[in-house]
Amino acid sequence: IQMTQSPSTLSASVGDRVALTCRASQSLNNWLAWYQQKPGKAPKLLIYQASTLESGVPSRFSGSGSGTEFTLTIISLQPDDFATYYCQQYNSYPYTFGQGTKLEIK
Amino acid sequence: QVQLEESGGGVVQPGRSLRLSCAASGFNFRSPAMHWVRQAPGKGLEWIAYISHDGINKYYVDSVKGRFTISRDNSRATLYLQMNSLREEDTAVYYCARKKAVTELGLLDYWGQGTLVAVSS
Repeated sequence: IQMTQSPSTLSASVGDRVALTCRASQSLNNWLAWYQQKPGKAPKLLIYQASTLESGVPSRFSGSGSGTEFTLTIISLQPDDFATYYCQQYNSYPYTFGQGTKLEIK
Repeated sequence: QVQLEESGGGVVQPGRSLRLSCAASGFNFRSPAMHWVRQAPGKGLEWIAYISHDGINKYYVDSVKGRFTISRDNSRATLYLQMNSLREEDTAVYYCARKKAVTELGLLDYWGQGTLVAVSS
C-alpha cells in the first residue's frame, strides 16, 4: 500500500491551525496512525485508528478521515509542534509510511 | 517506564554482516510483538520486520527478505536483527519498536533511540 502525504513542507506560525493530508493507494479500514518526529529523535505516536488520540498527547492534535484519505489537524500551534509528521498504514504488511510533512516555523 | 535501547550499529563493508540488539525494560517483554524500522539519512521511515510475541510469526519487507532475520530472546528481554549481505542502501538508523497492546499488528507505541548502520567500502 502506497502512502502519499501533502504538503511535503508546511510553513506556519505559532497559534495557527494546520491540516496535514495523507492518502492511501487502497482502503485502510481506518488502520492509520500519525507519528511526530523531531531531529535526532525517535518517532512518537500521536493518533491511531485514524482518530484516536494516544494517551498523553495534547488535545490540540486530532485525526480524521476514512477509507483512503486522512487528515491530521493541529489547532493553536505551539513551538514544540514544529517537527516532521508521518502517517503509517497498519492495515496490512508491509506497514508503509508516508514520506513525511515537515512543519516549519514561518 | 518503557525503555528500548538499540546497540550493535557501526560501519561495515558491503557484503558483510552485523547483528543489532534491542534491550527492553519497563514492561513484560514476553507479551508484545516487536518490530524493526529504519530511516536512511535525511529520508523517511521504512518498516522492515515484525516478530510475534512468541517468535513464531515473522514478516519482512521485500528489500530485506532472505538477508535479514528478526529474532527475540524473551528470557533476556532482547530483540535482535541479524543483517547479512549488507548493501550500501541498507545505511540507516535502525529503530526497534513495540507493538501497541490490544491493537492491530503494525501499530507501534514505543520506539528506541536508534542505532546507526553505515555500509561503505
